[in-house]
Amino acid sequence: DIQMTQSPSSLSASVGDRITITCRASQDIRNNLVWYQQKPGKVPKLLIDTASTLQSGVPSRFSGSGSGTHFTLTISSLQPEDVATYYCQKYVSAPLTFGQGTRLDLK
Amino acid sequence: QVQLVESGGGVVQPGRSLRLSCAASGFTFRTFGMHWVRQAPGQGLEWVASIRNDGSQEYYADSVRGRFTISRDNSRDTLYLEMNSLTAEDTAVYYCAKDWNDRGFDYWGQGALVTVSS
Repeated sequence: DIQMTQSPSSLSASVGDRITITCRASQDIRNNLVWYQQKPGKVPKLLIDTASTLQSGVPSRFSGSGSGTHFTLTISSLQPEDVATYYCQKYVSAPLTFGQGTRLDLK
Repeated sequence: QVQLVESGGGVVQPGRSLRLSCAASGFTFRTFGMHWVRQAPGQGLEWVASIRNDGSQEYYADSVRGRFTISRDNSRDTLYLEMNSLTAEDTAVYYCAKDWNDRGFDYWGQGALVTVSS
């Protein structure tokens, strides 16, 4: 099975910082990668599909890139409401594995 | 608006069974694949199972294969997860989620807590 590895597992940053979260697949998954945001006590929310397509209503400070085995989620200017755990998920062939998550909080 | 409402969670003894339901509304249920995802307390998301829109194909995580069964009733707009031989490791919030054209899970229910404990 293809493994999904996120880094870092957690990070603290200041408002306005540029944030990058990495997700690596153990095999080529082309662009079949999605990102979710889960705020504390809330249900996960789909942010980005096919590695780089922003879902409707998601702020433009979020962006995704990558293909194959290396993917990134970038927040261009961190806002307080972005405090959350972020998960990547591969979306080609079961199992639809999630990364272990990256917990983002404010300094 | 799309709504997914899980029910059937609770406390169950190890080795026993439980069936979760997910009532869907606000979209044409029979045209979308559906999924179950779980989250153990303080842990990350774990994909559990998926089913095609017409119920013709099911997929399972290794951790539940042979013990859990996903099914759906398109006449009732309802998704199910039958869970057998439960262990403490199955303790989690179980979410049902709607497929977004094979590009992620775009709607999630609020979750049903399953606690396996003697």
